[in-house]
Amino acid sequence: AQTVTQSQPEMSVQEAETVTLSCTYDTSENNYYLFWYKQPPSRQMILVIRQEAYKQQNATENRFSVNFQKAAKSFSLKISDSQLGDTAMYFCAFLGETSGSRLTFGEGTQLTVNP
Amino acid sequence: EPEVTQTPSHQVTQMGQEVILRCVPISNHLYFYWYRQILGQKVEFLVSFYNNEISEKSEIFDDQFSVERPDGSNFTLKIRSTKLEDSAMYFCASKRLAQETQYFGPGTRLLVL
Repeated sequence: AQTVTQSQPEMSVQEAETVTLSCTYDTSENNYYLFWYKQPPSRQMILVIRQEAYKQQNATENRFSVNFQKAAKSFSLKISDSQLGDTAMYFCAFLGETSGSRLTFGEGTQLTVNP
Repeated sequence: EPEVTQTPSHQVTQMGQEVILRCVPISNHLYFYWYRQILGQKVEFLVSFYNNEISEKSEIFDDQFSVERPDGSNFTLKIRSTKLEDSAMYFCASKRLAQETQYFGPGTRLLVL
């Protein structure tokens, strides 16, 4: 079975600065997908970024980028130029290619961006 | 941009009562999911649904739970006889065929008293 671990329950960052959220996972699969979802106070869980394990290049979406280390089973999210609207709960999630279509989530990291 | 919607946003019920949580997935999506998050715990998979049948379910999804797509737009989760431990946030999600990304609704917060 897969497990996903987010070891930082809470983090804070000053507006315009950079912050990195950590995620590690454990799996025996070789092909899989990793996701970061954001859940702001409005509750809608929004996809931030995704990474396919077979791609060596780290995914980037505007101010959001990942550091995917397959051998270390690490998938951290970097937010550059943090904005107040980035304040949210961030969930790391795993989808295995052979484990059905269920997402396995981490515990979540509550990020607060301070003005 | 199309979104998954869920109703109600909050529901309070008495233990032993039946509840139905409703979801409207994104219109061209074919896979549908329910997840739940008990306060302070991880988001957990409950069930996936494709082609009008359950494709996968977790050990949480016992006989008290059922899902249905009663028409072309709604996807429902029914809990027949609620227990205190069913109190949680319930998320619906959907995805397109041959794509991996699941899109989530805002959730329904269920409180069982």
